[in-house]
This record gives sequence, structure tokens and C-alpha cells, in this order.
Amino acid sequence: KAGVTQTPRYLIKTRGQQVTLSCSPISGHRSVSWYQQTPGQGLQFLFEYFSETQRNKGNFPGRFSGRQFSNSRSEMNVSTLELGDSALYLCASRDSDTGELFFGEGSRLTVL
Amino acid sequence: DAKTTQPPSMDCAEGRAANLPCNHSTISGNEYVYWYRQIHSQGPQYIIHGLKNNETNEMASLIITEDRKSSTLILPHATLRDTAVYYCIAGSNDYKLSFGAGTTVTVRA
Repeated sequence: KAGVTQTPRYLIKTRGQQVTLSCSPISGHRSVSWYQQTPGQGLQFLFEYFSETQRNKGNFPGRFSGRQFSNSRSEMNVSTLELGDSALYLCASRDSDTGELFFGEGSRLTVL
Repeated sequence: DAKTTQPPSMDCAEGRAANLPCNHSTISGNEYVYWYRQIHSQGPQYIIHGLKNNETNEMASLIITEDRKSSTLILPHATLRDTAVYYCIAGSNDYKLSFGAGTTVTVRA
């Protein structure tokens, strides 16, 4: 069974731009969660989508948004990028029976 | 989610058992205890989880106290590759799982 796939793995943007990150969950998993990881703040929960609906949300500004498609693939978007948005963005696919999260390798965003 | 408390760091000798404590005194009846670890620059990796009973798998053992207010993750024979940040999380199947600061475990030769 293929794992969680995130694209792109690395990207560089400048302040004010916007970025879209993609996540393909494990086949059969309907839940996808997104996390931001920075050295200073650790792993912070952004949001979770289940069957195309946002089920849980963390404490991030409206510049951070996401969506999920009917095939469970998910995208997250960050608009009007700030330097502080530089981080590793992790996507996790969740087993609905056990609650276990399966993480991808992440997308490392650098904002200049 | 129930808040968890872990020591910020601990050292362990290679080949010895590593016992990682976690307090979750406000855990509710339907919340599981999950353990993950993150090796530098990789995505977190699931280790084990449990509700009430002690659990064991090929990676580790999880000991949960009878009142469920604390638990211990046991790595039976620590290797250098077990050096990582270990996260203890309490949560339910369909609610967000929030990661704290975790315990940085350093296995020394």
C-alpha cells in the first residue's frame, strides 16, 4: 500500500505570494490533516478534512485554507505569504478505525 | 484533547530499555493515548496506542496506569536509530490530535 505523498517537497516563494501544497492520502483513508512545523513552535495543527468537509480547525489566520476532493486528495493554500510562514508543512492521512495518523515527508516552504 | 506533559529530554544507553513517561491527568473515557516519534526532518512515525490495557508491538510497549492518568512508553533495547523526539498525545478517533513539545531522546553508545 502506497504511503502519504506530498508535493512539492521543497519550494521557495517571496513575501506576498501565495502557495498551494498537495497531499495524496493512503488509499481508503477519508481523513486528511495538515500540520505546520517550525523550530520555535513545534508541530501545530492547521485543519482536518473528512469526506470533503473541514472537521477540525486549529488557530491559524484565514490566509491558511484547505480543501479536499472526492478522491480524498487534499490541498492547502497559504495566501499573502509572510516570512514567518517558512516551515515544514506535514500532511497526515488518518485511519478512521484506530485514529492512527500516517504522515507524509512534508513540503518545506521557504519564504524570502 | 487532553493535555499531556512529558519531560523535555532524556538520555539512554544503547542496548538498555528506555522508559518514557507521560502524564495525561485530564484524559476522558473515550480518548486514546498515542505515541509518535519524529526523527530529524522526517514526518512523525506512529509507534503505538492504547485505551486502557497495556499494549505491545514490534517497536515498543505501552503501559497505562489503572486510573489512565499517566502512561509509559518502553523501548526495550534502545539503539542509536531510536534517537528522536517522542510525542505522547491523548485524543479520540475523530478529533484533532495535537502534538506538544515531546521528549527528545538521545541514545548514547
